[in-house]
Amino acid sequence: DIQMTQSPSSLSASVGDRVTITCRASQSISSYVNWYQQKPGKAPKLLIYAASSLQSGVPSRFSGSGSGTDFTLTISSLQPEDFATYFCHQSYITLITFGQGTRLENK
Amino acid sequence: EVQLVQSGAEVKKPGESLKISCKGSGYSFTSYWIGWVRQMPGKGLEWMGIIYPGDSDTRYSPSFQGQVTISADKSISTAYLQWSSLKASDTAMYYCARPRNRDSTFDAFDIWGQGTMVIVSS
Repeated sequence: DIQMTQSPSSLSASVGDRVTITCRASQSISSYVNWYQQKPGKAPKLLIYAASSLQSGVPSRFSGSGSGTDFTLTISSLQPEDFATYFCHQSYITLITFGQGTRLENK
Repeated sequence: EVQLVQSGAEVKKPGESLKISCKGSGYSFTSYWIGWVRQMPGKGLEWMGIIYPGDSDTRYSPSFQGQVTISADKSISTAYLQWSSLKASDTAMYYCARPRNRDSTFDAFDIWGQGTMVIVSS
């Protein structure tokens, strides 16, 4: 299996803050990393695919970077609707794995 | 509109069987893989397996192999997840999801079902 280690597990921030979440893969996975946002009681929503491509309809304050083993999701200026849980996901092999999640809370 | 619509919540007893469904619409159902993801209460996402409805090619996560069966009926554009004997530990929300690109498993999931809550309790 490819392990995806996501950090931090939780994060307190305020509206307007710049927020960074990281994911480290246990082996090189090129750019096969995707990021999702999940709100309580809802299905995950795709934000970033292939490490750095913004999914259609997602605000440009979300961005992704990285390749190989280290990846980052950045929210440039946090908005009230961004408080949620975020997951990374590797699609390098069919045996898909997700990070443990980062819960982003309002400080 | 491209969408996946899942069957409703279920409450079952340990040892009972269950089959939940995920119906695709607005796209060529036979050309896209459909995956299943488990989310236990308050926990993260776990990939269970994936099926290609075009030929029923199915891949399972080792953690779920032998525990569940994934199938599809392409004539009605529906994928299924089933258990033969439920356990309390199967209590979770189950999502189906479709990758962005046809014919590919190595891709992000851009279309998700709304989820099916399964509660197993005596």
